[in-house]
Amino acid sequence: EAGVAQSPRYKIIEKRQSVAFWCNPISGHATLYWYQQILGQGPKLLIQFQNNGVVDDSQLPKDRFSAERLKGVDSTLKIQPAKLEDSAVYLCASSRDRGNEQFFGPGTRLTVL
Amino acid sequence: GIQVEQSPPDLILQEGANSTLRCNFSDSVNNLQWFHQNPWGQLINLFYIPSGTKQNGRLSATTVATERYSLLYISSSQTTDSGVYFCAVASILTGGGNKLTFGTGTQLKVEL
Repeated sequence: EAGVAQSPRYKIIEKRQSVAFWCNPISGHATLYWYQQILGQGPKLLIQFQNNGVVDDSQLPKDRFSAERLKGVDSTLKIQPAKLEDSAVYLCASSRDRGNEQFFGPGTRLTVL
Repeated sequence: GIQVEQSPPDLILQEGANSTLRCNFSDSVNNLQWFHQNPWGQLINLFYIPSGTKQNGRLSATTVATERYSLLYISSSQTTDSGVYFCAVASILTGGGNKLTFGTGTQLKVEL
């Protein structure tokens, strides 16, 4: 069974530019999560989807971050415009359903200069 | 929200030694996972253990949900065990969203 796929693996941009990350969850997993991991900390949830609907986006900075999960499979996370403090690893995870074990992708390491 | 504390924050072991990592949490949980984050940043699933005891090779874990803690045991440690170990929980109080709250991690270094 293939794991969670993410791209790109690394991205360097200047502040005020925009960037997008892509995630393909494990086949058949209804729940998809985006987490942000700042260096030295544990990951923190940004947004959670159940199929193509948003379950929790309370920690998503909605003035600059947006995410979608069209057709309930792949998902994209966008930042526009980026700030220096957005430098982090963005992790995508999926689970069969809510309450089940979550599996993480390799992450995208974003550096904002 | 739920609080998750891990101890110790740092640990240095000689290869072959055993260790116990602890995770304390502040509310009832319906999900508890242990992860190993390797030096390349990949989070590797170790255990899904909201209660009870599980073993996988040299690793085992126990969660005592009524007392709000979990333990991860590493036996006969190897250099490849180095990295950060995270405990993450989802609280029943979050309304079934299964949002994982991570602890601050235990940084483990295994030396020859």
